[in-house]
Amino acid sequence: LAKTTQPISMDSYEGQEVNITCSHNNIATNDYITWYQQFPSQGPRFIIQGYKTKVTNEVASLFIPADRKSSTLSLPRVSLSDTAVYYCLVGGVGSQGNLIFGKGTKLSVKP
Amino acid sequence: DGGITQSPKYLFRKEGQNVTLSCEQNLNHDAMYWYRQDPGQGLRLIYYSQIVNDFQKGDIAEGYSVSREKKESFPLTVTSAQKNPTAFYLCASSMEGGRPDTQYFGPGTRLTVL
Repeated sequence: LAKTTQPISMDSYEGQEVNITCSHNNIATNDYITWYQQFPSQGPRFIIQGYKTKVTNEVASLFIPADRKSSTLSLPRVSLSDTAVYYCLVGGVGSQGNLIFGKGTKLSVKP
Repeated sequence: DGGITQSPKYLFRKEGQNVTLSCEQNLNHDAMYWYRQDPGQGLRLIYYSQIVNDFQKGDIAEGYSVSREKKESFPLTVTSAQKNPTAFYLCASSMEGGRPDTQYFGPGTRLTVL
């Protein structure tokens, strides 16, 4: 299973764009990259998922280079409410029982 | 509203007692999961079930037991054999098949063993 590496923490200010990079050097051909967001004392919430190039939804964008060894979650114009822990997961079909939630990246947004 | 519920939100038990945490979903999802989260840590998988009457151990199954008699329900029992049961417990569910599907999480149960 592909292991991921993310920064432990990041700081930002309201209105800025935040980019969180995840490294997954041994990603397999059938693996997808999924990001979750978790607020304190709540369950994680799905943000975005992609396989290659760029994916965008109403919350975030996900950039995946051609070699797929890393990915970047981009949060446009963050607000205080985006303060949370963000997890990067890598897994393929049938891997639901083996997805690894590491420590994630704790994003702190300041006024 | 469709969703996944866990009860209770807070639970206190004396050391040596078994305790069962409830997890129910009305999303018609095939798969369900139990995770444990300790302060400042990520989630660790306890058990998961891909279909009724079948379940598999995760990374930290020792001291825990589960059952999956109904598609909607996946209760977790924390037994007295679990050496450090105080933690935040999260239940999740997902559809099976195709690309890795989104896991939908419940609000969690915070268990404190006194």
